[in-house]
Amino acid sequence: GESVGLHLPTLSVQEGDNSIINCAYSNSASDYFIWYKQESGKGPQFIIDIRSNMDKRQGQRVTVLLNKTVKHLSLQIAATQPGDSAVYFCAENTSEKTSYDKVIFGPGTSLSVIP
Amino acid sequence: GAVVSQHPSWVICKSGTSVKIECRSLDFQATTMFWYRQFPKQSLMLMATSNEGSKATYEQGVEKDKFLINHASLTLSTLTVTSAHPEDSSFYICSASPSGDVRYNTGELFFGEGSRLTVL
Repeated sequence: GESVGLHLPTLSVQEGDNSIINCAYSNSASDYFIWYKQESGKGPQFIIDIRSNMDKRQGQRVTVLLNKTVKHLSLQIAATQPGDSAVYFCAENTSEKTSYDKVIFGPGTSLSVIP
Repeated sequence: GAVVSQHPSWVICKSGTSVKIECRSLDFQATTMFWYRQFPKQSLMLMATSNEGSKATYEQGVEKDKFLINHASLTLSTLTVTSAHPEDSSFYICSASPSGDVRYNTGELFFGEGSRLTVL
């Protein structure tokens, strides 16, 4: 199968601090990017998305930044809470060479919030 | 958001048997569904793209005869793990694309809750 990577880095933050999770993507033709949150034993949950014609998008307590020049995405979580503890995946969606969307996941980052 | 349901959520089977996992889109039609496999502490790896009414497209390295995919209707795709072995034990996750449905953003995918397969 196709994936950006196989190993899971970890990030520990103090409750109330801001978290920044980074991701590098591989396909310069990707035009849609999504951040997902996955809790143990569950499927991925949509957090926020951004299209390639934007460089920043904000949601509730979350901000996604896109740097197409270096093919880099970041997810910023403000005032991190214990409930934010999970694995976070960036994903790129490309319809290049296909007539349908194809979503490829990055390696993921395990976020642990210290109370 | 839209709801995608997987069944069963977990299954235990003996080595050599076949197991079928269902993926249903409950409130939208999905011409395309995707099957992922996830090993512990790893990312989701795309196995195949399931297209309604046609053959699935498998990713490189995924055996199509081992992982049979059927997408017979616009709301149901099934993944059958044939002659399962302990190394097939994994978390299998499907997603569905409501492509063309104006209620959703272009490119948006919805994920099921996953099916955990344990092969003894």
